[in-house]
Amino acid sequence: GNSVTQMEGPVTLSEEAFLTINCTYTATGYPSLFWYVQYPGEGLQLLLKATKADDKGSNKGFEATYRKETTSFHLEKGSVQVSDSAVYFCALSDNGNQFYFGTGTSLTVIP
Amino acid sequence: DSGVTQTPKHLITATGQRVTLRCSPRSGDLSVYWYQQSLDQGLQFLIQYYNGEERAKGNILERFSAQQFPDLHSELNLSSLELGDSALYFCASSVLRGQGLMNTEAFFGQGTRLTVV
Repeated sequence: GNSVTQMEGPVTLSEEAFLTINCTYTATGYPSLFWYVQYPGEGLQLLLKATKADDKGSNKGFEATYRKETTSFHLEKGSVQVSDSAVYFCALSDNGNQFYFGTGTSLTVIP
Repeated sequence: DSGVTQTPKHLITATGQRVTLRCSPRSGDLSVYWYQQSLDQGLQFLIQYYNGEERAKGNILERFSAQQFPDLHSELNLSSLELGDSALYFCASSVLRGQGLMNTEAFFGQGTRLTVV
């Protein structure tokens, strides 16, 4: 079946530190992969996506590369800001029936 | 603004009661998903509708039901409410494209916070 395993948090970083949140997946076929972000009191917002192997999604300084050989889609950012504090969800979608979400990783960035 | 509208934003009700949560998807999106988010269980998929028909079912209790209407808005009905049903309920919508019906991203509403007292 399909599933997403995401690095557990919470993660606390100092401002300007490098961020990596690990995500691996199990899927039949060729899924699309997503990172969503949830700020306090809000819904989930799409951060970036990749629809095929070796695609790199990027947005707001965040990047993730679809690695089929390692079934991974790790989220990275070179220099985090306080405003990046949020919960990050890795997700996959297969043939259109549903989205599979990881458990979420809480990130706190301190000045 | 994702374009997905959920009402109400907050709901407080007593155990044993019934409530209805409403979702209007983005214009043009045919697929609607419902999720429950609680502190201890994360984001749980409940059910998906596509163009008025149920397409996939997740961890939805028998006390819960949903439907999607001809104008594509959806309602989630929660009955015989228990304290443990207190959670954030999210609706999301997406477009299914292509012959393989591959998803694009899902767009989420702001959620309805349900508190059962």
